[in-house]
Amino acid sequence: DQQVKQNSPSLSVQEGRISILNCDYTNSMFDYFLWYKKYPAEGPTFLISISSIKDKNEDGRFTVFLNKSAKHLSLHIVPSQPGDSAVYFCAPSRSGAGSYQLTFGKGTKLSVIP
Amino acid sequence: NAGVMQNPRHLVRRRGQEARLRCSPMKGHSHVYWYRQLPEEGLKFMVYLQKENIIDESGMPKERFSAEFPKEGPSILRIQQVVRGDSAAYFCASSAGVVETQYFGPGTRLLVL
Repeated sequence: DQQVKQNSPSLSVQEGRISILNCDYTNSMFDYFLWYKKYPAEGPTFLISISSIKDKNEDGRFTVFLNKSAKHLSLHIVPSQPGDSAVYFCAPSRSGAGSYQLTFGKGTKLSVIP
Repeated sequence: NAGVMQNPRHLVRRRGQEARLRCSPMKGHSHVYWYRQLPEEGLKFMVYLQKENIIDESGMPKERFSAEFPKEGPSILRIQQVVRGDSAAYFCASSAGVVETQYFGPGTRLLVL
């Protein structure tokens, strides 16, 4: 049972344009959402997070939007740069017991074309 | 400040052999987590350990898999009598506290022939 779905396995974007990566979840207990970025042959690197009490969190070129009613979040990267080419994982968690258990989606491979 | 270290980076085993994967957490981190990534899948939580204690092993297969985090030395994920289905990337993460951000190591890619 897939609690976290990233329905686009891959995405190609021109350098300088906006990249939008989507994530849907089914578990209403999730209340903290993280995005990780992963380069080949490396481990995931924490990118940005958002708590369920917010609907937007911004950090430089990266913004995450959360729509709790739709159980949907998205990561916006603008402007996209070639160095952003990586696999992006959505990883929700829940507070309380088991909060350390991150539930990863399958990832979206972003390719930023120079 | 070195990040999370994992070794070996690549490990090849024949069916029935044992695999030992090591993880040294970031300096100052006492919480260690192991995740497994099967081909074309996301990472799946396996086990959470603190020094000398297994806190949560709900994601570990019931047989052949074990983990430890001794008082001295790295955390070890041990897989006995490996089968082809164990072929995956195994990632270790560490954090300073249970609600703190998890930092991942580069992973060990296990291939079972």
